[in-house]
Amino acid sequence: GQQLNQSPQSMFIQEGEDVSMNCTSSSIFNTWLWYKQDPGEGPVLLIALYKAGELTSNGRLTAQFGITRKDSFLNISASIPSDVGIYFCAGLRRDDMRFGAGTRLTVKP
Amino acid sequence: SQTIHQWPATLVQPVGSPLSLECTVEGTSNPNLYWYRQAAGRGLQLLFYSVGIGQISSEVPQNLSASRPQDRQFILSSKKLLLSDSGFYLCAWTTGGDTEAFFGQGTRLTVV
Repeated sequence: GQQLNQSPQSMFIQEGEDVSMNCTSSSIFNTWLWYKQDPGEGPVLLIALYKAGELTSNGRLTAQFGITRKDSFLNISASIPSDVGIYFCAGLRRDDMRFGAGTRLTVKP
Repeated sequence: SQTIHQWPATLVQPVGSPLSLECTVEGTSNPNLYWYRQAAGRGLQLLFYSVGIGQISSEVPQNLSASRPQDRQFILSSKKLLLSDSGFYLCAWTTGGDTEAFFGQGTRLTVV
């Protein structure tokens, strides 16, 4: 099945830096979701976006639902070591849920 | 509140043996249920999803199958495992209608 295009694939940053990652698709989605996955665990929901153009924050995380409904981005401000992990975007359209390949984030103290 | 249970957490099975992974959801009714597989360091591949009892949609033709015998129970099975079936299997649920999805803790399957 079609997957979303998520970039970058990996990021190595210093503690305190800001991070930006995004997802694009050739198809329209009705909902965009962002997850974080720690090793050996299931993904945990960070932010849910339901409306084109919507900008939502959760602490140091900010995500936006693209106006075309075909993309979304996630920003993390002032990164800390516990931000390390793999971040996934997901798009939902009715019963269909697709994921990006993930962005692996490494934060150096 | 809703919770999702997935077991076992880890499993080591020989090639050619059968497989049964179970996922159950509590605190909701008529959820959409999903099975994903994740290879090491990779993204999530949708295997099956179900919008109701006995309704299974398959995404990837392979030697795996899924069943939904009860409203909140989703089972992933295989009659004969292959080495390539190794991976991290995740169950997820949504209430449908494009709402957020929640994941179980996953099952690490190693086929030897």
